[in-house]
Amino acid sequence: NAGVTQTPKFQVLKTGQSMTLQCAQDMNHNSMYWYRQDPGMGLRLIYYSASEGTTDKGEVPNGYNVSRLNKREFSLRLESAAPSQTSVYFCASIRGSDTGELFFGEGSRLTVL
Amino acid sequence: AQSVTQLDSHVSVSEGTPVLLRCNYSSSYSPSLFWYVQHPNKGLQLLLKYTSAATLVKGINGFEAEFKKSETSFHLTKPSAHMSDAAEYFCVVSNTGFQKLVFGTGTRLLVSP
Repeated sequence: NAGVTQTPKFQVLKTGQSMTLQCAQDMNHNSMYWYRQDPGMGLRLIYYSASEGTTDKGEVPNGYNVSRLNKREFSLRLESAAPSQTSVYFCASIRGSDTGELFFGEGSRLTVL
Repeated sequence: AQSVTQLDSHVSVSEGTPVLLRCNYSSSYSPSLFWYVQHPNKGLQLLLKYTSAATLVKGINGFEAEFKKSETSFHLTKPSAHMSDAAEYFCVVSNTGFQKLVFGTGTRLLVSP
């Protein structure tokens, strides 16, 4: 059982380049999330998708776009990367409204030069 | 709006001594509260959760937390630290339906022999 899988695990970009972080879960969860983790700031929510076909902004959505491709997949796109987007990105999923337990991927470390 | 404050950025203990990681929350309604643990270069894992049932919550690996409404606190404890407990710990508050989970800034637990 793979759980939540993120790709790539590491990426280096130049300022202005674009890229997409991929996330897939095989637990049939309804809701999916993208967080970024920065030292001393905990995890901050970028976007979330409560169910297939819906997406909503989180705390720090500027500079990002998302796509909920189907129930399994939720991608995060940086259209024009900036050094301030250097971070570790985590995808997570949750079964529904009855548990509250988030299942996390192992993270994607992105460096923007 | 809801928020959590983790009162210590770092906590150092010796192996075999008690652990106390402090968390205060703010919420305009009855919250759900969680503690997650993150080992180096890994995703986050749920330790325990409070969802308005018993105020003393037991989690994995011997950790406990007590919900104190009068003090708006949800501190994490363990009677005896183990070297493998060295990690970063996050206190999390959630709205009803768990659609938005707000993370604290984290407490790094250091365990010395």
